[in-house]
Amino acid sequence: DAGVIQSPRHEVTEMGQEVTLRCKPISGHNSLFWYRQTMMRGLELLIYFNNNVPIDDSGMPEDRFSAKMPNASFSTLKIQPSEPRDSAVYFCASNPGLAGGSGANVLTFGAGSRLTVL
Amino acid sequence: AQKITQTQPGMFVQEKEAVTLDCTYDTSDQSYGLFWYKQPSSGEMIFLIYQGSYDEQNATEGRYSLNFQKARKSANLVISASQLGDSAMYFCAMREGLNYGGATNKLIFGTGTLLAVQP
Repeated sequence: DAGVIQSPRHEVTEMGQEVTLRCKPISGHNSLFWYRQTMMRGLELLIYFNNNVPIDDSGMPEDRFSAKMPNASFSTLKIQPSEPRDSAVYFCASNPGLAGGSGANVLTFGAGSRLTVL
Repeated sequence: AQKITQTQPGMFVQEKEAVTLDCTYDTSDQSYGLFWYKQPSSGEMIFLIYQGSYDEQNATEGRYSLNFQKARKSANLVISASQLGDSAMYFCAMREGLNYGGATNKLIFGTGTLLAVQP
């Protein structure tokens, strides 16, 4: 099991540019989550999907952020246009979902994508 | 209202001693789950231990144990025999609602406690 795969690991871009972060969840996991981590705000849930359907996007900061999950093995988080305050580590995570797994339904995280917007 | 509260921004512990990291939570649900994750300086998030609200016994995983006090709404992590490799950020998290056919599957995190193990 390769775990949750995120790319890129590091991204440095200039304000105004489009940024796309990618995630491949663990095979068989039905739920996928995007979190953002900053010193000021800690770990924030941005959005999560069950069976490729967005369930809760209340954490998405504003319209500049969008997330998609076109199939069970791929998700993207896009920021357009990017701003310096978007600089953070973005984590993707997955778990078996509501219908699977044990009571714990443990969330497995990817290694994160560190974004720096200049 | 904050759901998960970790009041200790930082902690020190001597190697080989035990340490308790505090976590309190707020929920009106009867069914919920509590988790602890470790984040070393390399940045990855590592699952440590889980406690279900209906579990009668405190969860244990090796040197980790969870001191679950339901009436006080606390779920403190106890690390026994601390090792230098335990130096990391520790996050408490909660999932509300029923896990099966249930309302939500999302995990909300506290602000974390930075633990430093001293030789």
